[in-house]
Amino acid sequence: GQNIDQPTEMTATEGAIVQINCTYQTSGFNGLFWYQQHAGEAPTFLSYNVLDGLEEKGRFSSFLSRSKGYSYLLLKELQMKDSASYLCAVRESNYQLIWGAGTKLIIKP
Amino acid sequence: IAGITQAPTSQILAAGRRMTLRCTQDMRHNAMYWYRQDLGLGLRLIHYSNTAGTTGKGEVPDGYSVSRANTDDFPLTLASAVPSQTSVYFCASSDRGDTGELFFGEGSRLTVL
Repeated sequence: GQNIDQPTEMTATEGAIVQINCTYQTSGFNGLFWYQQHAGEAPTFLSYNVLDGLEEKGRFSSFLSRSKGYSYLLLKELQMKDSASYLCAVRESNYQLIWGAGTKLIIKP
Repeated sequence: IAGITQAPTSQILAAGRRMTLRCTQDMRHNAMYWYRQDLGLGLRLIHYSNTAGTTGKGEVPDGYSVSRANTDDFPLTLASAVPSQTSVYFCASSDRGDTGELFFGEGSRLTVL
């Protein structure tokens, strides 16, 4: 069946590094997305991986291993504004997205 | 406007009433989507449209209908609202090129009593 797993909640300290994991089982694979969603707001696009490896974009990096059905989002130099939910989504072969429930990241001073 | 606009932003509705959530985009994206987001669950696709004039059913289509008369508009209608349709509804669009990332509207919070 289709399934995307990510931790429900994580806590980290301002200035530190945090890694949010995502594992997936889907019908086909056509890319993996990470979105950020602040409370009460719409999701916004962070990253896209379709090939294995690490994609770096400023303080945020995303990694993909297709053979392991695994991805992670790495956030460096954490800031208070990074407190948000982080959503992992896999695009299947039919171009539809399957979404994880999201990881709520709490940043403490 | 620039982007994707939803209306209303919030609505309280009596069960059995009909309700239409509006969605308009000005990015000329071909694909549009309606999702609902409930606590503890991932975004769930209700209906989608790959291009004007076509629509398709998503994961949770029952009780909802959509139309796509033109590229810009993609309204979602609840014919007879039920309390289980209480949720936050997000409209999104994508151009299916490059990454095909989704652009989301600000959401419509619907409460059915």
